[in-house]
Order: sequence, then C-alpha cells, then structure tokens
Amino acid sequence: DAGVIQSPRHEVTEMGQEVTLRCKPISGHNSLFWYRQTMMRGLELLIYFNNNVPIDDSGMPEDRFSAKMPNASFSTLKIQPSEPRDSAVYFCASSPTPGSSSGRVSGEQFFGPGTRLTVL
Amino acid sequence: GNSVTQMEGPVTLSEEAFLTINCTYTATGYPSLFWYVQYPGEGLQLLLKATKADDKGSNKGFEATYRKETTSFHLEKGSVQVSDSAVYFCALSDRAGANNLFFGTGTRLTVIP
Repeated sequence: DAGVIQSPRHEVTEMGQEVTLRCKPISGHNSLFWYRQTMMRGLELLIYFNNNVPIDDSGMPEDRFSAKMPNASFSTLKIQPSEPRDSAVYFCASSPTPGSSSGRVSGEQFFGPGTRLTVL
Repeated sequence: GNSVTQMEGPVTLSEEAFLTINCTYTATGYPSLFWYVQYPGEGLQLLLKATKADDKGSNKGFEATYRKETTSFHLEKGSVQVSDSAVYFCALSDRAGANNLFFGTGTRLTVIP
C-alpha cells in the first residue's frame, strides 16, 4: 500500500498565481480530508468528502479556495489567486468506512506527507 | 459542541524521563479518542486509540486511558527516547460512522540526550 500520495511536495509561487495541490487517497477509502497547518493557527480542517461528495466546506477560508473530487482516486485543492497568507503546509488524509472489512474505527485517518506552499 | 484541549508546549525532557501530555475533551455523544504523532517533515500518523470508556490504547510504549468521568485521555510514556521528539495531537471523533476528527492544538516534545 503506497499510502496517501500528495503532489507537489513543495511549491513556491508568486502572489496572484493559481496553485493546484493534488491528492491520491488510499485505494478503497471513502472519505478524504484537506487540512492546512501553520504555526499561528495549527491544524485546520478545510473540507472533507464522503464518497466523492463534499460534506463540510465550512473551513474553506474564502472563495479563493476550491476543492474537487472527480473520482474516488483523486482530489484537488485550488487557490486562485494565491496570497502570501496562504503559505502553509497542506495535508490530505483519507479514511475507510468505519466498521467495514478494514476493521477500522470511526475517525481513523491516514495522512499524506503534505505540500509545503510558499507564496511570495 | 465538540472540542479538545491539550497541554501547551513545548515540553523538553531528558532521555529516559517520564512523559505526560494532558488532554481533556468536550463531546455531545460518545466519542472515540485518538493520539496522533507528527515527526519532523512528515504528516500525522495514528499513535493509539480508544473507543469507549475505560479502554486503554497503547503503542510503542505510549499509553492513554479513556476516562469518561474526567473527560480525559492523557498520554503517558515511562521512559522517553530522543526518537520520540515530535508533535503530539489529541483528537476525537464525535459519533459512530463519522470519519471527521476534532484535533487539539498539538504539543511539541523535545527529548535531549
């Protein structure tokens, strides 16, 4: 199992540019989460999907942020236009169905390595 | 509502010292409780979990007991190692069937030789 895959691992861009972060969840997992981590605000949940459907996007900071999950194996988080205050590490996590044959309990999430975004 | 409050860091200990990181929670239902660990430059990974009152989760020498009467889930380890240096997050999931987690702010642990 390759785990959750995120790309790119590092992104440096200039203010005003569009940024797209990508995530491939673990095969068979039906929930996907996007988080942002900064020193000032810690770990924040931005949005999560169940079965490719967005369930809660109340953590998305503003309209500049959007997330999609066109299929069970791929999700994107887009920032357009980017601003310096968007600089952070962005994590994607996936989770299997609780009580399924995986034996996992509700809430157990598997995190990717993160994308470190720097907006100049 | 649901929330987790954990001990503020940073915590610095000498190798082989005893570790306690306090965590208390507020939940509307019967949550499952977790400790996640984040090593430098990596994503979070599950350290241990407990799904009901009086359960004890354990892994890699770390332990935490689900205390419903005190709404606590304190993390302990009898003898820390330099390799335990990391950020530790307490978290809860608030109901059966829900995969979303409520995280604490994290506690940075540094273990010095």
